Amino acid sequence: QVQLQQSGPGLVKPSETLSLTCRVSGGSISSGDDYWNWIRQHPGKGLEWIGVISKTGRTTYNPSLKSRITMSVDTSTNQFSLKLRSVTAADTAVYFCAREVVTTFGGVMDYYYGMDVWGQGTTVTVSS
Amino acid sequence: EIVLTQSPGTLSLSPGERATLSCRASQSLDSSFLVWYQQKPGQAPRLLIYGASSRATGIPDRFSGRGSGTDFTLTISGLEPEDFAVYFCQQYGSPPPKTFGQGTKVEMK
Repeated sequence: QVQLQQSGPGLVKPSETLSLTCRVSGGSISSGDDYWNWIRQHPGKGLEWIGVISKTGRTTYNPSLKSRITMSVDTSTNQFSLKLRSVTAADTAVYFCAREVVTTFGGVMDYYYGMDVWGQGTTVTVSS
Repeated sequence: EIVLTQSPGTLSLSPGERATLSCRASQSLDSSFLVWYQQKPGQAPRLLIYGASSRATGIPDRFSGRGSGTDFTLTISGLEPEDFAVYFCQQYGSPPPKTFGQGTKVEMK
């Protein structure tokens, strides 16, 4: 079955760029109904959706973070990535990648099956 | 942006008891867009329910979901020790963004 393995630094300096990668194993990142998400969780808090990318590279970002985010997908290596620019202490959080399944019918969204596979989480601290 | 409000914040119950968790949306949702997750300390969330009422693969039948419009409920019919955790609802985000409720912690009494 599909598994997600996250990688990336746990410490980033203020004003620099946070870069994380999520490798997909046990399946193809190009599977028809799969979309690839990043979510974060501030210490002791709830979950915040960051953005989603499709196998073709189409992205949708959280408007609250949109100006600082770039997500990309590499089908040749079965990986997708997140870059968050100009980080501050407020970006300190556990970052998760996750697969979600969304089916379409006639080009229109048909059903949402939720985020069923998650990475292990990466604790990122923003500090000098 | 659709805001999801979960209640109560904390539920203190004993094993074997029934847990009823609420998720209220700030505007009406297609029920197929509402999912529930369980999260234990130090772990990633685990998908429990999609489409407001369908159990995900491998989820025991003591977990059930229902609801429509703006009001959704997750019920755990008889708490097992492993069910003490935090539960989040989430909506698909049409239009974006996807949003999560703030969570309900089910703790052992």
